[in-house]
Amino acid sequence: SQQGEEDPQALSIQEGENATMNCSYKTSINNLQWYRQNSGRGLVHLILIRSNEREKHSGRLRVTLDTSKKSSSLLITASRAADTASYFCATDPSSRKNSGGSNYKLTFGKGTLLTVNP
Amino acid sequence: ETGVTQTPRHLVMGMTNKKSLKCEQHLGHNAMYWYKQSAKKPLELMFVYNFKEQTENNSVPSRFSPECPNSSHLFLHLHTLQPEDSALYLCASSRGGSSYNEQFFGPGTRLTVL
Repeated sequence: SQQGEEDPQALSIQEGENATMNCSYKTSINNLQWYRQNSGRGLVHLILIRSNEREKHSGRLRVTLDTSKKSSSLLITASRAADTASYFCATDPSSRKNSGGSNYKLTFGKGTLLTVNP
Repeated sequence: ETGVTQTPRHLVMGMTNKKSLKCEQHLGHNAMYWYKQSAKKPLELMFVYNFKEQTENNSVPSRFSPECPNSSHLFLHLHTLQPEDSALYLCASSRGGSSYNEQFFGPGTRLTVL
């Protein structure tokens, strides 16, 4: 079953505005990651937040994690037209073994399509 | 460029054809992955290789056959596919061994099965 689920499915804003996307998940996690995908291209890693962290920043990106609500949010400040893309959250369930040498499995959501209009 | 390349970028094949997708990473990573991305569905993990050993097969039909000859190369052999297999196939790599390592994705192969 799907672990991460983004909300909203689509978001359209004007350049300069802030964009907030949310992700909810179902089971306990080791970490949560956000990825970005331009149309028809591969995904690009944006930021990782560990289960014991509550907030993390990277440039114009701010990610929060609330493990009690099993949710995360990605905030993009001062958006640009080049931020237009799909954004995915990916979770690493803590039920899986992640010891050294073991593989791990990320579970992705369906994504939020962000459109930033010039 | 992410350091992960995929060829071909586009592929059209009939249901009786046999074709292969190729992925190469130039990052010195030890783990490689195949994902399937269909319209309006979450990204689906298909296979994971760690140090050339397959460590995950996510209930993928046998008409998809992966091969990992070394840590830098990953293939996906396709035969007798169905139209519903049409999708974007993404390869990724990571340092492996920990879930805290980010995955680097290739641009994908857009596959159309007629």
